[in-house]
Amino acid sequence: ETGVTQTPRHLVMGMTNKKSLKCEQHLGHNAMYWYKQSAKKPLELMFVYSLEERVENNSVPSRFSPECPNSSHLFLHLHTLQPEDSALYLCASSHNRASGNTIYFGEGSWLTVV
Amino acid sequence: GQSLEQPSEVTAVEGAIVQINCTYQTSGFYGLSWYQQHDGGAPTFLSYNALDGLEETGRFSSFLSRSDSYGYLLLQELQMKDSASYFCAVMNTGFQKLVFGTGTRLLVSP
Repeated sequence: ETGVTQTPRHLVMGMTNKKSLKCEQHLGHNAMYWYKQSAKKPLELMFVYSLEERVENNSVPSRFSPECPNSSHLFLHLHTLQPEDSALYLCASSHNRASGNTIYFGEGSWLTVV
Repeated sequence: GQSLEQPSEVTAVEGAIVQINCTYQTSGFYGLSWYQQHDGGAPTFLSYNALDGLEETGRFSSFLSRSDSYGYLLLQELQMKDSASYFCAVMNTGFQKLVFGTGTRLLVSP
């Protein structure tokens, strides 16, 4: 138990579907992150939120839309995805952006786009 | 840009010592971190070096040489449960974000 909970753990969706990934952290942190993990590729940072404000958008296609309603919750809204978007999506949090060298990950949501 | 290089796979036996190297190129540097990830699990933080030298935490130690843009993770008294992927990551001062290497898969055999 890392203190960061992601749901669903597994998701299969068609290219025309709309779905959302949810993340909740119970650590009292102020910064939250979305990472993408694909086979044989480094973990890729997608988005950074600090105090509910998006501070980093790492050239992510608009078919991924993040939302951070409060410092404990983070969503990733998905629509019209492509098969190459199939990957493990990891949510993470840190005390604040400056302590982002020490981040706590959730166990991830495995996404398959068919 | 930023890049990190580490070996893709390392094998060792129980009780042995193994060193996983990481070289990095980054514009701005704010520390080298190491994370462990078991299959199907979340990456978990192991250690962080902001300054040159060796940091020891139990069986695991991490080393950094900023002049060489190089670091390593040293695992001693290996146990079967240490079989996992190990990622080095660099914190970039400009963007304050963590950039990860491709990971080293460690296989510990009896």
